[in-house]
Amino acid sequence: NAGVMQNPRHLVRRRGQEARLRCSPMKGHSHVYWYRQLPEEGLKFMVYLQKENIIDESGMPKERFSAEFPKEGPSILRIQQVVRGDSAAYFCASSPGVQETGELFFGEGSRLTVL
Amino acid sequence: SQQGEEDPQALSIQEGENATMNCSYKTSINNLQWYRQNSGRGLVHLILIRSNEREKHSGRLRVTLDTSKKSSSLLITASRAADTASYFCATDASNTGKLIFGQGTTLQVKP
Repeated sequence: NAGVMQNPRHLVRRRGQEARLRCSPMKGHSHVYWYRQLPEEGLKFMVYLQKENIIDESGMPKERFSAEFPKEGPSILRIQQVVRGDSAAYFCASSPGVQETGELFFGEGSRLTVL
Repeated sequence: SQQGEEDPQALSIQEGENATMNCSYKTSINNLQWYRQNSGRGLVHLILIRSNEREKHSGRLRVTLDTSKKSSSLLITASRAADTASYFCATDASNTGKLIFGQGTTLQVKP
């Protein structure tokens, strides 16, 4: 049973470009979360999605960031017009529904570097 | 506001010793979880303790929760070099998977 798959693992963008990060949850999981980790810090919640619905986006910056989890295909975190401060590791996590166990299953992360 | 605060920030011990990490939080919670992160890797879930539980064990791990003090501790017994990693506590106030993470404790276990 494959775990949470994220790609790309590493992404380099110049200021002003767009970054697209993809996440395929574990098989059977319909809940997806995105977290951001700055160097030497803990993870910060960004957004919680279920298929075709954004449940909680309280951690998303108001501008330039968007997320989706379509009926078919992976979840996408999109960052438009990237700035140096967007450089971070972005982690996706999934769960079958936290009421069952509460734990999240994390991917290996996508590390974004903005030049 | 940041929910989890952990101490120490860094801990260095010899193989075979026990390691204790502490976590404090600010608001009421549904559950508290501990995760491990090896350098450059994703997080791995270690253990979850619910707000109505006081202590939980899993192998060499022992977690305590004191809701009156809003604090938790993670004890790793008989540490091994392979335990070297960063350890994070995370609280879930709403049982939705929206976790608030602490800053983490970096553990180094010397062989």
